Amino acid sequence: AQKVTQAQTEISVVEKEDVTLDCVYETRDTTYYLFWYKQPPSGELVFLIRRNSFDEQNEISGRYSWNFQKSTSSFNFTITASQVVDSAVYFCALSEGSNTGNQFYFGTGTSLTVIP
Amino acid sequence: EPEVTQTPSHQVTQMGQEVILRCVPISNHLYFYWYRQILGQKVEFLVSFYNNEISEKSEIFDDQFSVERPDGSNFTLKIRSTKLEDSAMYFCASSPRATQYFGPGTRLTVL
Repeated sequence: AQKVTQAQTEISVVEKEDVTLDCVYETRDTTYYLFWYKQPPSGELVFLIRRNSFDEQNEISGRYSWNFQKSTSSFNFTITASQVVDSAVYFCALSEGSNTGNQFYFGTGTSLTVIP
Repeated sequence: EPEVTQTPSHQVTQMGQEVILRCVPISNHLYFYWYRQILGQKVEFLVSFYNNEISEKSEIFDDQFSVERPDGSNFTLKIRSTKLEDSAMYFCASSPRATQYFGPGTRLTVL
């Protein structure tokens, strides 16, 4: 079974629209970390956010916001007023356990295209 | 801002040849990793390294793969006898604790 599921393979929106990228995770650990990374067309992986399992507070950073709900095992990512530069593949990732240095389990990614 | 660097950016090799991919992690980080991403697919974990030894490895990381930290700065991934299916983007990452910071990747093409 997949530990991280990103059901949306591709999404296209028109510039200035809001878009939400879904992430559902599966783990038996009570302590874990969740992450979002952005992979622009140039290919690098850019860290966006980390959340630990004990912190369900939602976070906003500029046009980006994240909604973490343990009850539904989801960690969704919303981009408000999307821009062309937001076009990229976005990956959600899970790291299990309280020990640092654990491997990441990545989802299959959501390819976002923002149309001008 | 410190970054993870990787060389080369693109490596082309013949099947059966050995390749070494190089990474310079962020200097005060303690944990190092290699991941790979086959074109259009998700990022897959290969191996993690801490305190000069492998701490975790995946099924992909078989006897053809090895890692080394030959000095205080470099972290290398060696593939002894490359196969066509090793063609992928290879990412190095390092972390001080929980968050992993990734390098720009090395695209390996096996012909």
